[in-house]
Amino acid sequence: AQKVTQAQTEISVVEKEDVTLDCVYETRDTTYYLFWYKQPPSGELVFLIRRNSFDEQNEISGRYSWNFQKSTSSFNFTITASQVVDSAVYFCALSEAITGTSYGKLTFGQGTILTVHP
Amino acid sequence: GAVVSQHPSWVICKSGTSVKIECRSLDFQATTMFWYRQFPKQSLMLMATSNEGSKATYEQGVEKDKFLINHASLTLSTLTVTSAHPEDSSFYICSARGLDEQFFGPGTRLTVL
Repeated sequence: AQKVTQAQTEISVVEKEDVTLDCVYETRDTTYYLFWYKQPPSGELVFLIRRNSFDEQNEISGRYSWNFQKSTSSFNFTITASQVVDSAVYFCALSEAITGTSYGKLTFGQGTILTVHP
Repeated sequence: GAVVSQHPSWVICKSGTSVKIECRSLDFQATTMFWYRQFPKQSLMLMATSNEGSKATYEQGVEKDKFLINHASLTLSTLTVTSAHPEDSSFYICSARGLDEQFFGPGTRLTVL
């Protein structure tokens, strides 16, 4: 069975601080996908990143960066110079690979509530 | 990018009534759609997997007779909550799978009085 653990229930920072959201996963699949989603108060999920288990390269997108470490089954997410607009619930998720490029149902972590204060 | 819509975006109903939620893929064909449920301040939990033209596969603990899923076309799946009760009040989110990607709908907030 697949499992995703986000140990941080809530994080509170002041604007411009860097913040890292932790994600640890469990799976028996050799090929899988990892995701991060942002859920603002409106409820709509905003896709942030998808990473294949074979690609351990870290990724940076603007103020966002992701650190994937297969050895520790972790896929952590860092926001640099946080802003008030970053306040939201962030979910890490895991899915088995269906084919080489497709994936199935998502298993979500419990979510981390991030509050960025001005 | 691909868009998935849900209708209605919110609904309030009386206990004992049935509510139908639609999930549409607007610019791609989705052979598979997933239905998730999210209770307040909790995570998303998969309820069922819907495949076009066949019966849905329900997750353990989800009553298939209470949550009826129909995936009659490649662009539409519906979730009907039958005889809704206050404990069914939740945020229901669908996702639709195209060729290689899945896209989430905006969600439907159901409140049962």
